[in-house]
Amino acid sequence: SAVISQKPSRDICQRGTSLTIQCQVDSQVTMMFWYRQQPGQSLTLIATANQGSEATYESGFVIDKFPISRPNLTFSTLTVSNMSPEDSSIYLCSVGQGPRNTEAFFGQGTRLTVV
Amino acid sequence: AQSVAQPEDQVNVAEGNPLTVKCTYSVSGNPYLFWYVQYPNRGLQFLLKYITGDNLVKGSYGFEAEFNKSQTSFHLKKPSALVSDSALYFCAVSPLGTGFQKLVFGTGTRLLVSP
Repeated sequence: SAVISQKPSRDICQRGTSLTIQCQVDSQVTMMFWYRQQPGQSLTLIATANQGSEATYESGFVIDKFPISRPNLTFSTLTVSNMSPEDSSIYLCSVGQGPRNTEAFFGQGTRLTVV
Repeated sequence: AQSVAQPEDQVNVAEGNPLTVKCTYSVSGNPYLFWYVQYPNRGLQFLLKYITGDNLVKGSYGFEAEFNKSQTSFHLKKPSALVSDSALYFCAVSPLGTGFQKLVFGTGTRLLVSP
């Protein structure tokens, strides 16, 4: 399976600032996704990171708040902009693997605390 | 809308006993169903999937799940629990037409295996 590295693994940020999270995969992948896991809750898909075009956002998420880059097939970034305490979550990137890309693999996540 | 429900927030079982973590689904068309496990301070790990074929699916770490179309269920099972199985378990469904890696997750069930 692909090895997915996320940086940073955790951070504590001041409200009003922005944080960029990096996701690096050790092989080329077609599909990359960003999820959010709020404290004590399940995972929610933020967006699909498309290589060479704008990300596709899910309902409730907008580009101004969560800009995403995907410059190539092994790398993506998610920025959490103008942060508030409500943005405190674990952010995870995910890629498709396995036969017919039927398995999603996840990075270890970035634990963000906004104070 | 496609969704999964995990009716139990927590399941307690003694080591060596069989365990079941429940999941029911609501989808239009054929469901693509998955189980993931999340250990403390770690990302999600893929356990198993049902795409098509045999209703009994075997996965990692001795886990298996049975797809039951009439009951719209996909319960996770293991014949003999280990203390090391204690973790957070998520059931997920891939919405029709979105590819297998774009997932809708249940709320999660915490499994506690006592020695």
